[in-house]
Amino acid sequence: GQQVMQIPQYQHVQEGEDFTTYCNSSTTLSNIQWYKQRPGGHPVFLIQLVKSGEVKKQKRLTFQFGEAKKNSSLHITATQTTDVGTYFCAGGSNDYKLSFGAGTTVTVRA
Amino acid sequence: DGGITQSPKYLFRKEGQNVTLSCEQNLNHDAMYWYRQDPGQGLRLIYYSQIVNDFQKGDIAEGYSVSREKKESFPLTVTSAQKNPTAFYLCASKQRSSYNEQFFGPGTRLTVL
Repeated sequence: GQQVMQIPQYQHVQEGEDFTTYCNSSTTLSNIQWYKQRPGGHPVFLIQLVKSGEVKKQKRLTFQFGEAKKNSSLHITATQTTDVGTYFCAGGSNDYKLSFGAGTTVTVRA
Repeated sequence: DGGITQSPKYLFRKEGQNVTLSCEQNLNHDAMYWYRQDPGQGLRLIYYSQIVNDFQKGDIAEGYSVSREKKESFPLTVTSAQKNPTAFYLCASKQRSSYNEQFFGPGTRLTVL
């Protein structure tokens, strides 16, 4: 079945620095979604990418979908304490299911 | 307020007992999902339902059962056959199209003693 790998598992960032988390699928995806889960909370949808090579921005967050639609990345610039949490990518297929990566847990040093 | 509710937030059970986790949504979504979350493993799909009276097994369905008698409700039963039931369980729903986002409930943390 479809597998989605996400790295790194943990990211410790100095406040103000940038970082990137990467997501790779074993199969071609129809779409990819990103979610954020704050400590003690539940996943909340951030964004969806559908087109090959698509790039979307949300303030300091930049999301990319690879040309082959098998990989994606999330880049955060000027990290803030509000960015703390776990970021999940989720690959979509045509069967209404999402395959979630293991997540990147981000901690921020002030 | 529209949303997904899960109850209870924390649940304790003795080993060998079945337990049912509640999930209710008032978003008028057709599709509903149950995930299990363990540290470092992300979200793993247990069961999903695209329409009332129909559901499919996910990646880790063994030891679990579900029903979908109403559009709003998708309860999950953790049976005594589930070998490692202690986990955080998340329910989600979405519109039926595969391109729609999933909305998650607050989750139930189940501890089996």
